Amino acid sequence: QVQLQESGPGLVKPSQTLSLTCTVSGASISSGGYYWSWIRQHPGKGLEWIGYIYYSGSTYYNPSLKSRVTISVDTSKNQFSLKLSSVTAADTAVYYCARCPRSGGTCKYGMDVWGQGTTVTVSS
Amino acid sequence: DIQMTQSPSSVSASVGDRVTITCRASQGISSWLAWYQQKPGKAPKLLIYAASSLQSGVPSRFSGSESGTDFTLTISSLQPEDFATYYCQQANSFPYTFGQGTKVEIK
Repeated sequence: QVQLQESGPGLVKPSQTLSLTCTVSGASISSGGYYWSWIRQHPGKGLEWIGYIYYSGSTYYNPSLKSRVTISVDTSKNQFSLKLSSVTAADTAVYYCARCPRSGGTCKYGMDVWGQGTTVTVSS
Repeated sequence: DIQMTQSPSSVSASVGDRVTITCRASQGISSWLAWYQQKPGKAPKLLIYAASSLQSGVPSRFSGSESGTDFTLTISSLQPEDFATYYCQQANSFPYTFGQGTKVEIK
């Protein structure tokens, strides 16, 4: 079955760039048909959608984070990545990667496969 | 952004109870609403998509319905494994937004 696994540093210093990678197994990103998303959850709080990427490289970002976010894809490694620049303590969260079926340029059918999540703490 | 407001924020219930959670969208989202279940320390799990379609593998005691901008998740007979936090998410327009969550606790 399809599995997603996040990886990256668990501790990032303020003002630096958070970098995470999501490795997909059991499916090929380049086969199309899905958007690959990043979502985060602040400690004890709700969920915030960060953005998604298609295998072609087309992206959509949450406007609230757009100036600091870059999502990229490496189809040769079957991975997609998140970079969030100029982090502050407010970016401390559990970061999830997830898949959503593509429907007319949107994720209308929800996110059906999630990674287990990785905790990122921003602190000096 | 479309605001999603869930109610109640928490509910105490017993095994076998019928539980209903409501999610209200601040504007029309057609039927593009998903429900997720999240247990402590785990990733969310998709239960319902397109307001009322049951995700594959999800027990039939879970159901979803809609009335205008109001959406409902119903658990017909609560089971021990259903104690968790439930989130709604609108998938109609960017940016996708979630409700604040409803925690279903043991009574």
